Amino acid sequence: GAGVSQSPSNKVTEKGKDVELRCDPISGHTALYWYRQRLGQGLEFLIYFQGNSAPDKSGLPSDRFSAERTGESVSTLTIQRTQQEDSAVYLCASSLVRPLNTGELFFGEGSRLTVL
Amino acid sequence: TQLLEQSPQFLSIQEGENLTVYCNSSSVFSSLQWYRQEPGEGPVLLVTVVTGGEVKKLKRLTFQFGDARKDSSLHITAAQPGDTGLYLCAGVSGSEKLVFGKGTKLTVNP
Repeated sequence: GAGVSQSPSNKVTEKGKDVELRCDPISGHTALYWYRQRLGQGLEFLIYFQGNSAPDKSGLPSDRFSAERTGESVSTLTIQRTQQEDSAVYLCASSLVRPLNTGELFFGEGSRLTVL
Repeated sequence: TQLLEQSPQFLSIQEGENLTVYCNSSSVFSSLQWYRQEPGEGPVLLVTVVTGGEVKKLKRLTFQFGDARKDSSLHITAAQPGDTGLYLCAGVSGSEKLVFGKGTKLTVNP
């Protein structure tokens, strides 16, 4: 597609349920990031995929969070046993080149998660 | 942990005024980027600076990278309501991940 696509755009769930968020990066982009943005806050790094290298999971806040990416395509972020503090917008971004080469991140519009 | 501190956190000004926002760190960055985010959308890249002391201009916006590559500033001349948004700085250091500051929320009132 023309841009980074995320789904669902909005998700309301009950505490304790599992949720899956999906990201379709721009075709050909080897790098893919997930960030979390709480209301009125900046972006909190969650996980980074680069090609076939092992992902950088250092930002995942707990073992309830996990993410997968198949090759250089779609990624899913899974949150198990959701808690109210998981409520946030989850942003996905992709990049054609590595950040160390000053690549630009292209962001999706995000998935807004509300945990009741 | 590489932290980027942005200031001020909130800024509300009148149309036509000038403003400067800051991005500071104790870490050295190989490059630093500025993004702008509008409500309900993802951030959009404004500029990338890579050389210490570098100054880049984008119409009414002037970006500067500190000589030591630890800090950056964004200056807006004659602000307009369309400049309203969340301004985020982001840096790349030793690791591959792009680290963001918490942002400056700018409101320009007509």
